[in-house]
Amino acid sequence: GAVVSQHPSWVICKSGTSVKIECRSLDFQATTMFWYRQFPKQSLMLMATSNEGSKATYEQGVEKDKFLINHASLTLSTLTVTSAHPEDSSFYICSASIGHLIGNQPQHFGDGTRLSIL
Amino acid sequence: GEDVEQSLFLSVREGDSSVINCTYTDSSSTYLYWYKQEPGAGLQLLTYIFSNMDMKQDQRLTVLLNKKDKHLSLRIADTQTGDSAIYFCAESGGSQGNLIFGKGTKLSVKP
Repeated sequence: GAVVSQHPSWVICKSGTSVKIECRSLDFQATTMFWYRQFPKQSLMLMATSNEGSKATYEQGVEKDKFLINHASLTLSTLTVTSAHPEDSSFYICSASIGHLIGNQPQHFGDGTRLSIL
Repeated sequence: GEDVEQSLFLSVREGDSSVINCTYTDSSSTYLYWYKQEPGAGLQLLTYIFSNMDMKQDQRLTVLLNKKDKHLSLRIADTQTGDSAIYFCAESGGSQGNLIFGKGTKLSVKP
């Protein structure tokens, strides 16, 4: 089945550090990947849509200069949390669908990255 | 806007059937999904159903879809303690092709 690998799984770092999270589709190509954020005991909220070869589309209220997204290939999208602060501590999860028909294929999720900023 | 609602908690005894319910608002959703999340882990796709289907069965899992009422349910037969997790209902109606998730139902299975 389709596998999405997310790395790292857990990050603890000091305030002010920039953190990069990778999302890879291992056995399929993904034109589009999604980045979600999940606060404790809450649902997943879409942060941004990552499109291969073009700029990401950010949801309202998500700072694009704070959360940098790069989708340089059909199998890799990265999310960089710049100058992270304690309020950025959260669980970040990426997902990807096979092929171009993103509405017609189930999304497969990575295992998530738990980010803790001290 | 799109909205997905589900009850927050469900408690069952081991061996019983569990039924988790979900309602959604976007009638144009092509697919509806059930994901499982264990503590500290990512989301595992359990099953999904195409919007023109009424039912889908996969081993212990049965998904029922009432498109008229926009109601989706997940039935887990012979529930085991390993089924304890949070179950998210999701629909594919996001403006970017993303999924819209419910808040999740925490299933507790008592021995």
